[in-house]
Amino acid sequence: AQSVTQLGSHVSVSEGALVLLRCNYSSSVPPYLFWYVQYPNQGLQLLLKYTTGATLVKGINGFEAEFKKSETSFHLTKPSAHMSDAAEYFCAVSSPTSGTYKYIFGTGTRLKVLA
Amino acid sequence: GAGVSQSPSNKVTEKGKDVELRCDPISGHTALYWYRQRLGQGLEFLIYFQGNSAPDKSGLPSDRFSAERTGESVSTLTIQRTQQEDSAVYLCASRRDSLGHEQYFGPGTRLTVT
Repeated sequence: AQSVTQLGSHVSVSEGALVLLRCNYSSSVPPYLFWYVQYPNQGLQLLLKYTTGATLVKGINGFEAEFKKSETSFHLTKPSAHMSDAAEYFCAVSSPTSGTYKYIFGTGTRLKVLA
Repeated sequence: GAGVSQSPSNKVTEKGKDVELRCDPISGHTALYWYRQRLGQGLEFLIYFQGNSAPDKSGLPSDRFSAERTGESVSTLTIQRTQQEDSAVYLCASRRDSLGHEQYFGPGTRLTVT
């Protein structure tokens, strides 16, 4: 069975500060990992994804995430927060190699950026 | 239309009524998903369609919920005898039929049961 845990339902950072949103997963097979962002009253938009290959993946809007198998983590970072980054962020895991294409989402982390 | 579209964007209904929510996936996307997102919560998987295969209905919360998809196009999610706990945003997503491809989400339908 797969699961995703996002530590911290709410995170506040100052504008210009480092953003770190945590995601840990559980999967018995190689995972595919995703970060999505949701702005108010909108659907989810993909930030970045890891499938195979390079473990450090770069996404849109300056975000990046590193897949660490030993730590079963896929934390999302951005060196310098911008006011426009305020949104809800969801980590998700899928394992197509297991024969299922279901995606398991974390409960989300709401990011607040302080001026 | 380049993206996933959903209609209506908002639906207010009385308890006990049936509602139908529609999703138009991106053309060529063979996989289609429905999720429920309650206020302040994450995404709850409801159902998954993949091509002509039998849908994965394992997330449907009760037999009041059902969904259909015509080939690889439009899908409708039907909720019968709505209850107040059905109030949520219902999100649809589609995906290309290739390993590693992400889902593309629609803007959602906000359902309010009064």
